[in-house]
Amino acid sequence: DTGVSQDPRHKITKRGQNVTFRCDPISEHNRLYWYRQTLGQGPEFLTYFQNEAQLEKSRLLSDRFSAERPKGSFSTLEIQRTEQGDSAMYLCASSSAGRRSETQYFGPGTRLLVL
Amino acid sequence: AQTVTQSQPEMSVQEAETVTLSCTYDTSESNYYLFWYKQPPSRQMILVIRQEAYKQQNATENRFSVNFQKAAKSFSLKISDSQLGDTAMYFCAFIYSGSARQLTFGSGTQLTVLP
Repeated sequence: DTGVSQDPRHKITKRGQNVTFRCDPISEHNRLYWYRQTLGQGPEFLTYFQNEAQLEKSRLLSDRFSAERPKGSFSTLEIQRTEQGDSAMYLCASSSAGRRSETQYFGPGTRLLVL
Repeated sequence: AQTVTQSQPEMSVQEAETVTLSCTYDTSESNYYLFWYKQPPSRQMILVIRQEAYKQQNATENRFSVNFQKAAKSFSLKISDSQLGDTAMYFCAFIYSGSARQLTFGSGTQLTVLP
C-alpha cells in the first residue's frame, strides 16, 4: 500500500509565474483534499474532491487557484500569477469512502517559495 | 464553525519520561472525530491517534493515549516513555462526521525530547 505522493517536493518561482502541483492519492481512496500550511501553523483546508467532483472550496481558494481531478485519480493544483503570500507548504491528503472515511492520510507536501 | 486551540506552542520532555499535550475545541455538533497528527522536521504529517466522539473509552496506540473529555471539549495526548524520535510538531484536529469533510487543525505544539 503506497502512501500519498506529491510532486514536486520543492518549487521556487518568481512572482507572477504560474505553478502546478500534482498529488497521487492512496490507490483505493476516492476522496482527495488540498491544504495549505504556513510556517509554524496548522494546515488550512483549501478544497475537497470525491472522485472527480469538487465538492467543497474554501474562501482561501482565490480565483488564481484552480484544482482538478479529471479521472478521479490524481489531482492537480494550479496557482496563476503567483504572489509572495502564496509561499507555503501545499499538502494533499486522501481518504476512503467506506469505513474510517473521516481519517485522512497526508502526502509529504510541496513547498512553494515565491520570490 | 469549529475551532481547535493548542495553548502550548512548545514543550520539552526528558527521554523515557511522560508528557501530556493539551487541546481544546469548540463545536455545537455532537458527532465528530478528533485526531492527533505528528509532523517531524521536514517530514510528512503522520496520524498518531483518532477518537470517535460517541465513544467514551479513550483511544490508545502503544505509547500514545488520549484523555477525551467531551463535556469539557478537551482532548489531550499523553506520550509515555518518550523517545528521541517523538520530537516533532503535534497537531490536534477535528472533523465533523456529517457532510463536511475538512479537517480543522490547531496551531500545533512543538515537542522536543531531550537525551
